[in-house]
Amino acid sequence: KAGVTQTPRYLIKTRGQQVTLSCSPISGHRSVSWYQQTPGQGLQFLFEYFSETQRNKGNFPGRFSGRQFSNSRSEMNVSTLELGDSALYLCASSLQGKGEKLFFGSGTQLSVL
Amino acid sequence: GQNIDQPTEMTATEGAIVQINCTYQTSGFNGLFWYQQHAGEAPTFLSYNVLDGLEEKGRFSSFLSRSKGYSYLLLKELQMKDSASYLCAVRDRGSDKLIFGTGTRLQVFP
Repeated sequence: KAGVTQTPRYLIKTRGQQVTLSCSPISGHRSVSWYQQTPGQGLQFLFEYFSETQRNKGNFPGRFSGRQFSNSRSEMNVSTLELGDSALYLCASSLQGKGEKLFFGSGTQLSVL
Repeated sequence: GQNIDQPTEMTATEGAIVQINCTYQTSGFNGLFWYQQHAGEAPTFLSYNVLDGLEEKGRFSSFLSRSKGYSYLLLKELQMKDSASYLCAVRDRGSDKLIFGTGTRLQVFP
């Protein structure tokens, strides 16, 4: 069974640009969560999608958005990039998302210059 | 709100035992997870505790005390490959979100 796949692996953008990150969950998993990881803050919860609906949201500005497709694949978008958005963005999937362990992808390393 | 504390860094010697502590404060507790993350890789699941007590899985054990808001991860017979970050995460009952601590970076020396 293939694991959680995130693309691209690395991304370099400049301030003001926008970026879209992609996540393909494990087959059969319907819940997809996104996290931002930085050295000082650890993993910060962005949002969770289940059956194409956002079920939970973290404390991030509206520049951060996401969506989930009918095949459970998810995308995350960040508009008007800021230097502070440089981070590792991790996607995690689970069957139902309720109290289950998460399976993480290797992440997308975003650098904003 | 939620608050999770764990040491930033620890060092240990190959073959030794190390205990990584995690304390938490949450408005509603619904389970605690430990994940391992090697540099540049995805976090991987190690253990899950929802009731008080010790869960043992090979060289790794995890303990939970809900009344004290405290957990620890015990690693025995340390190997070089155990050098990694160890993440403590608490599931909040109300929001069902998984809240992570900042992680403990463990370095194992020969």
